Amino acid sequence: EAGVAQSPRYKIIEKRQSVAFWCNPISGHATLYWYQQILGQGPKLLIQFQNNGVVDDSQLPKDRFSAERLKGVDSTLKIQPAKLEDSAVYLCASSLGDRVNEQYFGPGTRLTVT
Amino acid sequence: AQSVTQPDIHITVSEGASLELRCNYSYGATPYLFWYVQSPGQGLQLLLKYFSGDTLVQGIKGFEAEFKRSQSSFNLRKPSVHWSDAAEYFCAVGVFDFGNEKLTFGTGTRLTIIP
Repeated sequence: EAGVAQSPRYKIIEKRQSVAFWCNPISGHATLYWYQQILGQGPKLLIQFQNNGVVDDSQLPKDRFSAERLKGVDSTLKIQPAKLEDSAVYLCASSLGDRVNEQYFGPGTRLTVT
Repeated sequence: AQSVTQPDIHITVSEGASLELRCNYSYGATPYLFWYVQSPGQGLQLLLKYFSGDTLVQGIKGFEAEFKRSQSSFNLRKPSVHWSDAAEYFCAVGVFDFGNEKLTFGTGTRLTIIP
């Protein structure tokens, strides 16, 4: 079974630039999550999708962050414009979604904003 | 709202020695509890989980954890660590609320293994 795929693995941008991350969840997983993990901290949920609908985006900075899940499969997370404090690892995870399940994590995208 | 505390930021253990990583949670009902491990440059991998039943749960790589409701704790243990266990360990509490499942993570404990 293929795992959660993410790209790119690393990205360096200057502040005020835009960036996009891509995630392909495990086939058949209805729920998809984007987390932000700042150095020295645990992952923090940014947004949660159930199929192609958003079920929780309460911690997403909506003035600069956006996310979509096309056709209930792949997802993209965008930052525009980026700030220095957005430097972090962005993790995508997926789960079956019908109850509290194990979440399967991708390798993450390490973003550095200079 | 639920929360997780991992009081040890960094632990150093000799190879072959026993290990215990502490985790305390705050949640009004019976929680779902998880331990994840993150190796450098990698995503998180589930070590073990507690949903209900036996309070001592076995996981992968020889790890186990014990749920103690009276102490609001879910400590991770391993009787003999290997150099490959060096990683970051995260405890998490899961909540299933109105059809949504959410994980809240602790800040992690970094484990260093010395020869």
